[in-house]
Amino acid sequence: AQTVTQSQPEMSVQEAETVTLSCTYDTSESDYYLFWYKQPPSRQMILVIRQEAYKQQNATENRFSVNFQKAAKSFSLKISDSQLGDAAMYFCAYRIVYYGGSQGNLIFGKGTKLSVKP
Amino acid sequence: SAVISQKPSRDICQRGTSLTIQCQVDSQVTMMFWYRQQPGQSLTLIATANQGSEATYESGFVIDKFPISRPNLTFSTLTVSNMSPEDSSIYLCSVVGPAGEYQETQYFGPGTRLLVL
Repeated sequence: AQTVTQSQPEMSVQEAETVTLSCTYDTSESDYYLFWYKQPPSRQMILVIRQEAYKQQNATENRFSVNFQKAAKSFSLKISDSQLGDAAMYFCAYRIVYYGGSQGNLIFGKGTKLSVKP
Repeated sequence: SAVISQKPSRDICQRGTSLTIQCQVDSQVTMMFWYRQQPGQSLTLIATANQGSEATYESGFVIDKFPISRPNLTFSTLTVSNMSPEDSSIYLCSVVGPAGEYQETQYFGPGTRLLVL
């Protein structure tokens, strides 16, 4: 079964500190994409960062970076210098790419609610 | 990335009625999706809206309850029919990157918050 597990339902971080959100996934496929989405109270789903499974180098977007461990099927998100605006639900997700280029559906985890303390 | 708008942004409806949600994208996209997000939950895919053909529904969702239209590459509608309080959710439209751009990344509309009384 294709699943995404986010083991931390809630996390809290002090402003300007660093926090890591964990994500593990289960698939037997070798080619896929991984994503972190952010959903603030406005409910808009915003793409935070994207990682191609065939790339060994971890993706980075400004204060956001990932630790991608393909063998362990782990895809954690690190937020550096946390800001009040980072408070949101964070969803980990992946999509399989099949031979021939067709893609599977986006599979979501249950989310981690991040609070940022001033 | 694509800019997606949804109408209405929220609505309160009586049970037994139907509501049609519109999704408009600022560029032509190949794949459009409709998701449901129940309170405090993750996203559940309802269906993939196919241009020029019937939508493809996920297990647990049927066309009679959630009819979908996709008349062109920039627009789709989702109707929630014969509503009950269990249909109270946020409904999100989502698209894969515009033609010619990355096709693996999905972008989401702002959502329609539905409350059924």
